[in-house]
Amino acid sequence: GNSVTQMEGPVTLSEEAFLTINCTYTATGYPSLFWYVQYPGEGLQLLLKATKADDKGSNKGFEATYRKETTSFHLEKGSVQVSDSAVYFCALSDPNNNDMRFGAGTRLTVKP
Amino acid sequence: DAGITQSPRHKVTETGTPVTLRCHQTENHRYMYWYRQDPGHGLRLIHYSYGVKDTDKGEVSDGYSVSRSKTEDFLLTLESATSSQTSVYFCAISDPSGGTQETQYFGPGTRLLVL
Repeated sequence: GNSVTQMEGPVTLSEEAFLTINCTYTATGYPSLFWYVQYPGEGLQLLLKATKADDKGSNKGFEATYRKETTSFHLEKGSVQVSDSAVYFCALSDPNNNDMRFGAGTRLTVKP
Repeated sequence: DAGITQSPRHKVTETGTPVTLRCHQTENHRYMYWYRQDPGHGLRLIHYSYGVKDTDKGEVSDGYSVSRSKTEDFLLTLESATSSQTSVYFCAISDPSGGTQETQYFGPGTRLLVL
């Protein structure tokens, strides 16, 4: 079945540092890929998405590129801020059966 | 933000008691979902609905039932709560016809503690 594996946390960075959170997936078809962010006490919010190979999703300075050859969708940001502290979830969705699978989540803490 | 509310937001109950969680949406989205979130597991799908009275099981459906009698409401019932069902429960919605197929929008969550 489909599955997502993402880098275990927690990740602690200083403000303005470069961020990478790794995500790889296993899927039988051509899934769409997502990054969601969860701030303390809140639900998940869509951060970015990509629906086909080589697509790049971007939002709020975050980027991720859909790499079919390496089955990856790594999240990057060039300069993190304290306000980026949150839990980040990688997810995939199979359009044929409406099945969305989430990674375990990576907690990011950014220190001033 | 998508108009999704969940009630209650927090609940403490005892083992063996029935519990019903409610998800309400104002977006008229066709699909609704219930997930549970546990440390180390991310989110796991319990049940979902693809229309009024149309529901199906997800990855972790044992011990849960759902009902959807109106487009805007999706109820999750724990018939006899167990301590293993202590978790944070999230409702989500999506609308394949809205041009944002597969993107799911989440409610604020319900924190359930079963003693």
